[in-house]
Amino acid sequence: DTGVSQDPRHKITKRGQNVTFRCDPISEHNRLYWYRQTLGQGPEFLTYFQNEAQLEKSRLLSDRFSAERPKGSFSTLEIQRTEQGDSAMYLCASSLNLDGYTFGSGTRLTVV
Amino acid sequence: GDSVTQMEGPVTLSEEAFLTINCTYTATGYPSLFWYVQYPGEGLQLLLKATKADDKGSNKGFEATYRKETTSFHLEKGSVQVSDSAVYFCALSDRGRGSTLGRLYFGRGTQLTVWP
Repeated sequence: DTGVSQDPRHKITKRGQNVTFRCDPISEHNRLYWYRQTLGQGPEFLTYFQNEAQLEKSRLLSDRFSAERPKGSFSTLEIQRTEQGDSAMYLCASSLNLDGYTFGSGTRLTVV
Repeated sequence: GDSVTQMEGPVTLSEEAFLTINCTYTATGYPSLFWYVQYPGEGLQLLLKATKADDKGSNKGFEATYRKETTSFHLEKGSVQVSDSAVYFCALSDRGRGSTLGRLYFGRGTQLTVWP
């Protein structure tokens, strides 16, 4: 068990470009969550997968955002036409039950 | 809706001082409550949790008791160390509404700095 891995750790992109982040959860965890954390704030829920099914999406997830979890294993979060307001830490977490997650180290996105 | 309010920071203490970080919550139902810690440049680590009223979560000298009557889950440590310097987040899970989502609602975080 190597924990939850996220890649890349840091991403700097120009406004208008597309970016994709990857999350590898703990292998036996069927639940996977994405959160976004801006400076000085707590993480905010974006979306949730149970196995390969995306069961919940926050209103924060505009139509420029898309997430997938093919085969119920790793997940990707893509942001199209990035904006400066997308700059944040994107956190992935996985769990086997409802009583606590394991978070990854996050991907810090900077849009310039 | 569900929400968490925690003590504004930053909190600055000398080593071996007593720590309290206040956390109160609003929830429909009976949520699980958590404290997470975030070290610079890293993700969140679960520090402790409590799943029902009057439960006490504890880990690494930190404690918090789930108080339903005051809707609180204050974090305490009797003697802090320099290595405790981090940001602490209080959170609740929406499972108490019968939800199977398990979404976490976080407070804004409290920065703790401990000086030697």
